[in-house]
Amino acid sequence: TQLLEQSPQFLSIQEGENLTVYCNSSSVFSSLQWYRQEPGEGPVLLVTVVTGGEVKKLKRLTFQFGDARKDSSLHITAAQPGDTGLYLCAGPTSGTYKYIFGTGTRLKVLA
Amino acid sequence: NAGVMQNPRHLVRRRGQEARLRCSPMKGHSHVYWYRQLPEEGLKFMVYLQKENIIDESGMPKERFSAEFPKEGPSILRIQQVVRGDSAAYFCASSPPRLGYGEQYFGPGTRLTVT
Repeated sequence: TQLLEQSPQFLSIQEGENLTVYCNSSSVFSSLQWYRQEPGEGPVLLVTVVTGGEVKKLKRLTFQFGDARKDSSLHITAAQPGDTGLYLCAGPTSGTYKYIFGTGTRLKVLA
Repeated sequence: NAGVMQNPRHLVRRRGQEARLRCSPMKGHSHVYWYRQLPEEGLKFMVYLQKENIIDESGMPKERFSAEFPKEGPSILRIQQVVRGDSAAYFCASSPPRLGYGEQYFGPGTRLTVT
């Protein structure tokens, strides 16, 4: 069974700090997606990474896909209160059309 | 949440009633996924549909739950004889016909409360 584990589960930091969120699996994924979900809303797609070792930047967010395509990380530089939310990684399971989601990281950025 | 519509946003049902949740995918998207999210938990896959076809329903409970995506109209997730344990947020996502790449776009969800 393919699983995606995220760490840390909870993170509370001050505005301006940097942070990294991890998404790990023992299985290889053809791609991984990162989403942010705010309370009462659906997840919003941030990025898709496809190639092992790939790095993508979205303003202050940097996403990396591991060389073996088993893990990914999200780094936020100079966090802002607007970054507060639930961060989810997700990926397609091999051989099916099903996507699995990670356990999530709840980030709170204090002003 | 680029254009995926779900209604109603909130739905209250008494135990034993039926719940119907609707999802209109983004224009040009022919693939629809339904997920369930319990409070403080992640998203659990339920079913994947293309127009007029159920492709993968391995995450759907065998009893009381059904889904459809007709040729015309929205996708419907139907829960018969609801029980308290069905209370959750149900999200629909759609994707373009380019499977495996993972670009799913989510709707705002329907929050079902069973009293």
